[in-house]
Amino acid sequence: GDSVTQMEGPVTLSEEAFLTINCTYTATGYPSLFWYVQYPGEGLQLLLKATKADDKGSNKGFEATYRKETTSFHLEKGSVQVSDSAVYFCALMDYGGSQGNLIFGKGTKLSVKP
Amino acid sequence: KAGVTQTPRYLIKTRGQQVTLSCSPISGHRSVSWYQQTPGQGLQFLFEYFSETQRNKGNFPGRFSGRQFSNSRSEMNVSTLELGDSALYLCASSLVGGLADTDTQYFGPGTRLTVL
Repeated sequence: GDSVTQMEGPVTLSEEAFLTINCTYTATGYPSLFWYVQYPGEGLQLLLKATKADDKGSNKGFEATYRKETTSFHLEKGSVQVSDSAVYFCALMDYGGSQGNLIFGKGTKLSVKP
Repeated sequence: KAGVTQTPRYLIKTRGQQVTLSCSPISGHRSVSWYQQTPGQGLQFLFEYFSETQRNKGNFPGRFSGRQFSNSRSEMNVSTLELGDSALYLCASSLVGGLADTDTQYFGPGTRLTVL
């Protein structure tokens, strides 16, 4: 079945460091890919998405490119801030398979130190 | 536009009881999905409703059920609660669910259920 694998955390960085969180996927159809972020005590917020190969999603300085050849959707940010500390989830929705549900990775906790 | 709202935000129950959680989607959204989040299992899909019909169901026992009303509001019910049901239950809404590859799910803040 479909699945998402993302790098284990936690990840600890200093402010202004470069961030990469790796995400790879397995899907039978043609999935859309998402990154969600969860701040302590809150629900999930959509960070960015891409719906087809070679699309780049971007938001708030974060970027991810849909790479079909490597089945990857790595999250990057050039300069992280303390306020970026949160848990990041990579997810897919496979429109060729089951409808209506996201499949999530395990999440990566990011801590940014001043 | 108001976001997805969930009530209550926190709930404490004892084993064997039942519980009902409520979700109000973003105005105009017809698809509502429910997810369970636990430290051990992560985020798992429970079920999805569209126009009052359950379209998709995850791998959960029959104690977990749901419904959707004509105004798209949704409820989920868990009967005969077990300790392992303690979790954050998240509701997400979208325009049409998985029918369009441009559709996006927006999440509510969740209901934190503790079973004692």
